[in-house]
Amino acid sequence: QKEVEQNSGPLSVPEGAIASLNCTYSDRGSQSFFWYRQYSGKSPELIMFIYSNGDKEDGRFTAQLNKASQYVSLLIRDSQPSDSATYLCAVNSGGYQKVTFGTGTKLQVIP
Amino acid sequence: KAGVTQTPRYLIKTRGQQVTLSCSPISGHRSVSWYQQTPGQGLQFLFEYFSETQRNKGNFPGRFSGRQFSNSRSEMNVSTLELGDSALYLCASSSSTDYNSPLHFGNGTRLTVT
Repeated sequence: QKEVEQNSGPLSVPEGAIASLNCTYSDRGSQSFFWYRQYSGKSPELIMFIYSNGDKEDGRFTAQLNKASQYVSLLIRDSQPSDSATYLCAVNSGGYQKVTFGTGTKLQVIP
Repeated sequence: KAGVTQTPRYLIKTRGQQVTLSCSPISGHRSVSWYQQTPGQGLQFLFEYFSETQRNKGNFPGRFSGRQFSNSRSEMNVSTLELGDSALYLCASSSSTDYNSPLHFGNGTRLTVT
């Protein structure tokens, strides 16, 4: 079983819709959770991080964490074509900076 | 503030050769992590350094090594290159010893082994 799992997609949504990206992790001791966006040919860039159960909002982005279910998600409201990228879920299990990444979900926003 | 700088951006090497990649973290960041990214495996953790000490290591063979200098700059070395080492190598820095601190990535070094 992979430590961090994501659906590889592609996830296609129309412009203006809500995109929902999901991630599950296997280590119950995981402490911090990150979402990165990676455009083709570019390096990952941090979108959001979340440490506590519940929701965290930043502009059009909302991260949701449920530690009991070992589940973290990212919602993108009012999706734009510029949001088309691969979204990487990353988890730090508490061992300093040993961050494990999922393989990413490719999002396509259709104009 | 300047971001994470990786050099070179592109490298082409032959099987059996060795290669050294360089990473300069964001000013003030003392933790430097290295990742290998391939289409099939995604981002795989190589190792992490803090204050010149390797704190974590991933599941890569001993051909992959690294070090960190007193100014927090880091290098990674791959010896006896294999075709499967062709990948994007990413360096990331973070600001503190707190494991919650996010990683900030450089632009990567694209290594091609022929």
